[in-house]
Amino acid sequence: EAQVTQNPRYLITVTGKKLTVTCSQNMNHEYMSWYRQDPGLGLRQIYYSMNVEVTDKGDVPEGYKVSRKEKRNFPLILESPSPNQTSLYFCASKQLAGVLNEQYFGPGTRLTVT
Amino acid sequence: AQSVSQHNHHVILSEAASLELGCNYSYGGTVNLFWYVQYPGQHLQLLLKYFSGDPLVKGIKGFEAEFIKSKFSFNLRKPSVQWSDTAEYFCAVNEAAGNKLTFGGGTRVLVKP
Repeated sequence: EAQVTQNPRYLITVTGKKLTVTCSQNMNHEYMSWYRQDPGLGLRQIYYSMNVEVTDKGDVPEGYKVSRKEKRNFPLILESPSPNQTSLYFCASKQLAGVLNEQYFGPGTRLTVT
Repeated sequence: AQSVSQHNHHVILSEAASLELGCNYSYGGTVNLFWYVQYPGQHLQLLLKYFSGDPLVKGIKGFEAEFIKSKFSFNLRKPSVQWSDTAEYFCAVNEAAGNKLTFGGGTRVLVKP
């Protein structure tokens, strides 16, 4: 089944404790992206990647890092989480070839930073 | 930079009522337009998309949307809602030559049985 998976689905952590949220897709998509969803603000892009070893900042990159060492994986790293990073996070992927393509979303990771 | 506005944050309806959710975007060039739905506790699913051609787009679950270029709008409609349509709905836009999706703030729809 074609899908985007994220782990963990739920995470409660404390300020300053490094964490990684994994994202994996099995559709051989070149493009991958991370979003955070906050009430009333919709989804805002954190980082994206056009291909392996190619990453770039989105609209709200502060406090986050990403890497793209393999095509299927795009982990989101919070080196020193803070309470304002409490949010619902979505990973997405998309095929770049052709123009009639939409993004496919993972199930989300709900992060609480205390 | 693009922006996307969804006018209603919350909508409450009874079953069988008609639904219309507004979406406006600010970008003068060619765009691709999307409506996504997020059912409680679930991830985003694509309802429908517009890339070109007929501005009236039909999607899944009886939803449709109309692209009005002159108004920079892409409103979502459903003639008769069901309780199972309770969800949050997001309008999203990307430049036709780009990949970045810009989302609206979302509209929470509650359908009372």
